[in-house]
Amino acid sequence: GNSVTQMEGPVTLSEEAFLTINCTYTATGYPSLFWYVQYPGEGLQLLLKATKADDKGSNKGFEATYRKETTSFHLEKGSVQVSDSAVYFCALRWNNAGNMLTFGGGTRLMVKP
Amino acid sequence: DAGITQSPRHKVTETGTPVTLRCHQTENHRYMYWYRQDPGHGLRLIHYSYGVKDTDKGEVSDGYSVSRSKTEDFLLTLESATSSQTSVYFCAISSRGVYNGTDTQYFGPGTRLTVL
Repeated sequence: GNSVTQMEGPVTLSEEAFLTINCTYTATGYPSLFWYVQYPGEGLQLLLKATKADDKGSNKGFEATYRKETTSFHLEKGSVQVSDSAVYFCALRWNNAGNMLTFGGGTRLMVKP
Repeated sequence: DAGITQSPRHKVTETGTPVTLRCHQTENHRYMYWYRQDPGHGLRLIHYSYGVKDTDKGEVSDGYSVSRSKTEDFLLTLESATSSQTSVYFCAISSRGVYNGTDTQYFGPGTRLTVL
């Protein structure tokens, strides 16, 4: 079946540090891949997505590249800010009916001033 | 922000009581979803709907039922709540299925349910 594995958190960084959150997946076919972000007390928001191999999704300084050969979609940011503190979820969409998502367990990021 | 509201936002109930959570959208999107969020599990799909009166089960549907009598409303019912159903519940919507092209799921603010 489909599954998504993320590195466990929390990840604690100082402001302006480099961020990597690892995400690997198992799926049949060629899923679309997503990163969602959840700020405290809120629902999930789409951060970025990639729909085919070698695509790079980017938004707000975050980026992730769809690597089919390593079945990975690692999230990176060159210089994190305190406002980036949140929980980040990697997800894949099944390429069948229903537009359904499978999520990883989430990684909490804490950025200290 | 997508127009999605959930009610109630917080609820405390006792084991064995029925509970209904409501998701309301103003976007006229076809697809609606109910997820539960638990530590270490991310979000898991409970049920989804692909149109009025059209629903199907997700990954963790046992103990839950849903109904969709109007495009804008998707109800999640716990017929007899148990402590294992203590969780945060999120509703999501999207305008297209995968056969119509890729699209984004937009999430509501969540409902925190505690079953004592």
